Amino acid sequence: AQRVTQPEKLLSVFKGAPVELKCNYSYSGSPELFWYVQYSRQRLQLLLRHISRESIKGFTADLNKGETSFHLKKPFAQEEDSAMYYCALRASSASKIIFGSGTRLSIRP
Amino acid sequence: DTGVSQNPRHKITKRGQNVTFRCDPISEHNRLYWYRQTLGQGPEFLTYFQNEAQLEKSRLLSDRFSAERPKGSFSTLEIQRTEQGDSAMYLCASSFQGANTGELFFGEGSRLTVL
Repeated sequence: AQRVTQPEKLLSVFKGAPVELKCNYSYSGSPELFWYVQYSRQRLQLLLRHISRESIKGFTADLNKGETSFHLKKPFAQEEDSAMYYCALRASSASKIIFGSGTRLSIRP
Repeated sequence: DTGVSQNPRHKITKRGQNVTFRCDPISEHNRLYWYRQTLGQGPEFLTYFQNEAQLEKSRLLSDRFSAERPKGSFSTLEIQRTEQGDSAMYLCASSFQGANTGELFFGEGSRLTVL
């Protein structure tokens, strides 16, 4: 069965500090991993996908198949990064996307 | 096109009543998804369509729930004989299969409160 686990419900860091939001997954094959973000009063939207190996708004995420993890990182947090972050998994291009329970990131000034 | 549209945005109903939600996806998107989200949880997959075909339905989904996408455009999600446990935000999302990016475009959701 596919599962996405985000162990932290809340992560609070000071502005300028590094950020790491943890995500672990359970799937026997080679999944596609995503991070979605929901800013206050906005819709849930895609932040980045592992296959693109891109940095969006200073965030990066590396897929570690050995540890089955896809942690989201940013070296220097900004106040506008405060939001709900959801890790998500897709088994194949024909499959549904399942989400973790989310981590609320709060950046303190 | 203003993106994925969901109606109504809020619905309050009494236990035992039926409710229906509508989702209008982005016009060129052929995939449409329904999710349910309760407080403190991530979106929980309910079902998804490719064009008018319902390709997958969550095994956790009660038979009181039914979804349709009759012409491959808008979709409806009906909940029959609502229960208090059905209170949640119901999210619709759409995507374009051809892009194969896995990017879902979400609506603002329909919040259901069952009294």
